[in-house]
Amino acid sequence: EVQLVESGGGLVQPGRSLKLSCLASGFTFSNYGMNWIRQAPGKGLEWVASISSSSSYIYYADTVKGRFTISRDNAKNTLYLQMTSLRSEDTALYYCARGTGSSGFAYWGQGTLVTVSS
Amino acid sequence: DIQMTQSPSSLPASLGDRVTITCRASQDIGNYLRWFQQKPGKSPRLMIYGATNLAAGVPSRFSGSRSGSDYSLTISSLESEDMADYYCLQSKESPFTFGSGTKLEIK
Repeated sequence: EVQLVESGGGLVQPGRSLKLSCLASGFTFSNYGMNWIRQAPGKGLEWVASISSSSSYIYYADTVKGRFTISRDNAKNTLYLQMTSLRSEDTALYYCARGTGSSGFAYWGQGTLVTVSS
Repeated sequence: DIQMTQSPSSLPASLGDRVTITCRASQDIGNYLRWFQQKPGKSPRLMIYGATNLAAGVPSRFSGSRSGSDYSLTISSLESEDMADYYCLQSKESPFTFGSGTKLEIK
């Protein structure tokens, strides 16, 4: 069974940093690209970043480019999102989702909540 | 960046109705279009991929279609379990972009 479990969320002050993790199981993690998507409270979905299976290709939304870094450790079956210079508008539930190809986005984690507030 | 204009934002409908939600792409995205269903407190669920392909386990009353730059999700006969938010997503090129969402609710 495919499982994606996010962790690392919490309350953080504006300007500070936070690192999210997504632990994958039930499939060969190193074969799939991965994504981060977020959803502000009561709002719609926003794609944040994607990374290819070997980390060769990385893409970011304009709203996080230069502040967030997506990475992965295929030996640990884990996807990461390093977030720096956090703003109140980064407050959201952060989901990881598997893949970008034809089978992409079929599996999502349950999300981890990031709250940026003083 | 590719913009996805989704309509309507809210759709009151009755059980048994045929309903359609549409996303219009600002540039060519081919068939790189997915539809998601999201219920309150739950993660999004993939419903349609490749504009017209039903994802695994999705009831056959759901279908996807394309006409030029307009992409549609249709539910042929609305059931109570279909009441949810629906989003389109283009993955033709980065940055990937979601539509603004449609809240499907009981009239």
